[in-house]
Amino acid sequence: DTAVSQTPKYLVTQMGNDKSIKCEQNLGHDTMYWYKQDSKKFLKIMFSYNNKELIINETVPNRFSPKSPDKAHLNLHINSLELGDSAVYFCASSQDFGGALLETQYFGPGTRLLVL
Amino acid sequence: DAKTTQPPSMDCAEGRAANLPCNHSTISGNEYVYWYRQIHSQGPQYIIHGLKNNETNEMASLIITEDRKSSTLILPHATLRDTAVYYCIVRGYNTDKLIFGTGTRLQVFP
Repeated sequence: DTAVSQTPKYLVTQMGNDKSIKCEQNLGHDTMYWYKQDSKKFLKIMFSYNNKELIINETVPNRFSPKSPDKAHLNLHINSLELGDSAVYFCASSQDFGGALLETQYFGPGTRLLVL
Repeated sequence: DAKTTQPPSMDCAEGRAANLPCNHSTISGNEYVYWYRQIHSQGPQYIIHGLKNNETNEMASLIITEDRKSSTLILPHATLRDTAVYYCIVRGYNTDKLIFGTGTRLQVFP
């Protein structure tokens, strides 16, 4: 009954490959996010989607493309992987988007990506 | 950039209260103070948040100074499972962006 799940948990791949990370939440939330935690443990937001619509798009290379087929899923596709993409990617969700609600974000367990 | 400053690390004896300080001297009137923690590379976990009043829940208490320039997260009876990195975050009223700083690594020892 995991609230926010991610697959795969570990991903090892070669430079130049294209890969996807999947995220699903069973909380009935409307908003989902992707965060990146680099080797220095800095955690930064990349994207957020509300009801399948892109809300936040930080300064992220366009090799990264989020896709939300429905409210419960937000996948992250990465083209032409580079060494610097090695990091832990966390998915999160919240009931709604910002404003007066200031909803708590619930995080998934993370996907550890290693690009060789 | 994160608008908060926290000590990089702290120790606490098991069963004692852990008091984690956070400075946010540039906080605006409509910005909230949030606390999350990350246990050994798991996903961050929400702990508590507040605007200006002190708050308490089943996990912790949050004490915010009257001028709102600093706050303290209190774990009343720390356990070994509370060993984690604790992040203090200032969050704007109309944004979903959580800007994480470097946090405080709390080590609870037996």
